Amino acid sequence: QSALTQPPSASGSPGQSVTISCTGTSSDVGDYNYVSWYQQHPGKAPKLMIYEVSKRPSGVPDRFSGSKSGNTASLTVSGLQAEDEADYYCSSYAGSDNVVFGVGTKLTVL
Amino acid sequence: EVQLVESGGGLIKPGESLRLSCTASGFTFSDYSMTWVRQAPGKGLEWVSSIHYNSRSKYYADSVKGRFTIFRDNAKSSLYLQMNSLRAEDTALYYCAREVWWTPDSWGQGTLVTVSS
Repeated sequence: QSALTQPPSASGSPGQSVTISCTGTSSDVGDYNYVSWYQQHPGKAPKLMIYEVSKRPSGVPDRFSGSKSGNTASLTVSGLQAEDEADYYCSSYAGSDNVVFGVGTKLTVL
Repeated sequence: EVQLVESGGGLIKPGESLRLSCTASGFTFSDYSMTWVRQAPGKGLEWVSSIHYNSRSKYYADSVKGRFTIFRDNAKSSLYLQMNSLRAEDTALYYCAREVWWTPDSWGQGTLVTVSS
């Protein structure tokens, strides 16, 4: 199973919005609504930010939102804050009892 | 509060075996599927293995199938990963995570496995 494709980097100024894409195939992202997004700060464990494409766990700010169109999922961070600077990973159920992660995107707040 | 604490990592030679453990608290362990995810140094996340709440089903990434075995002890709220025939490419930080519908939703801090001669 190949890793999902994400841009290596993304950036935005405080207060702006940034969108990170996650492209898979019709066998994973395109076929299931089990797409999640994780935030990982350096030296820390990943934190779930979005699950089932667009749902936010309790405690995650509503500045974080998710969507999907075809084989591509997206994470949008609105009203960027300094603490949003981190690595972001998407994941998807890939059928045949497999999960696949994206390669990760480094978000920089300028 | 969900807490997951991994242990058992270390420096090990290629071909040798190692068992990782994960002790859970703050939730009813026996109600949840559990998963292992690893992260090689400076690299991205890789799903390794998952196990149903009742151990009835176990799933593995192709990269570890036949070498790694996942199991759990619900009475001890513990998850394990038996890793055999270790290779240099298995070097990674191994995370234990609670899983809900193929989504790891709570993660431990990880235990580092280094495979080197």
